[in-house]
Amino acid sequence: DTAVSQTPKYLVTQMGNDKSIKCEQNLGHDTMYWYKQDSKKFLKIMFSYNNKELIINETVPNRFSPKSPDKAHLNLHINSLELGDSAVYFCASSLRGVNTEAFFGQGTRLTVV
Amino acid sequence: EDQVTQSPEALRLQEGESSSLNCSYTVSGLRGLFWYRQDPGKGPEFLFTLYSAGEEKEKERLKATLTKKESFLHITAPKPEDSATYLCAVQQLKDTGNQFYFGTGTSLTVIP
Repeated sequence: DTAVSQTPKYLVTQMGNDKSIKCEQNLGHDTMYWYKQDSKKFLKIMFSYNNKELIINETVPNRFSPKSPDKAHLNLHINSLELGDSAVYFCASSLRGVNTEAFFGQGTRLTVV
Repeated sequence: EDQVTQSPEALRLQEGESSSLNCSYTVSGLRGLFWYRQDPGKGPEFLFTLYSAGEEKEKERLKATLTKKESFLHITAPKPEDSATYLCAVQQLKDTGNQFYFGTGTSLTVIP
């Protein structure tokens, strides 16, 4: 069973489009995250979401919005896509308040053309 | 400013040639330090968690150590299958929950 799963794995789209990436975790974790990994492999946190509390990295454009229908899902919506949004996006989850590791999905490679 | 820095950026080793990777951090309210391995096209895979200075963890050819300012990942007699990018992450506990911040990684290549 996959602990953290993302779909799609690859996403190619044109500038200006709106797209979504889905993430689901079956670990019973109560905190979920979205990370962006750029071409230099640097993982940068975008959002964390815990019990309906959203923490936003202030450097993330407001074109990006996370949506959580329930504790096991955290989807990422991106409006008006730009070339610079091309990257690999990773979803992760962990437990709140406990010193535990974050588990990552396999990533979604987004290419904006 | 909170920061996590890894060195070297890239490392090439002959099979069997031991070495160490470094992760230095300046993070307030550190709750834990994590090492991950990332293979091309995959998500980071958890290796170790260290919580306090002086702590050590081992797994096969890897050993992680922690001081108050840095962590080392020692690789003993590496094999080609150890080739990957190794990421260090620190965990801060903030009012709204845990936050994980990553270093830039060390790309390790082990040559047969």
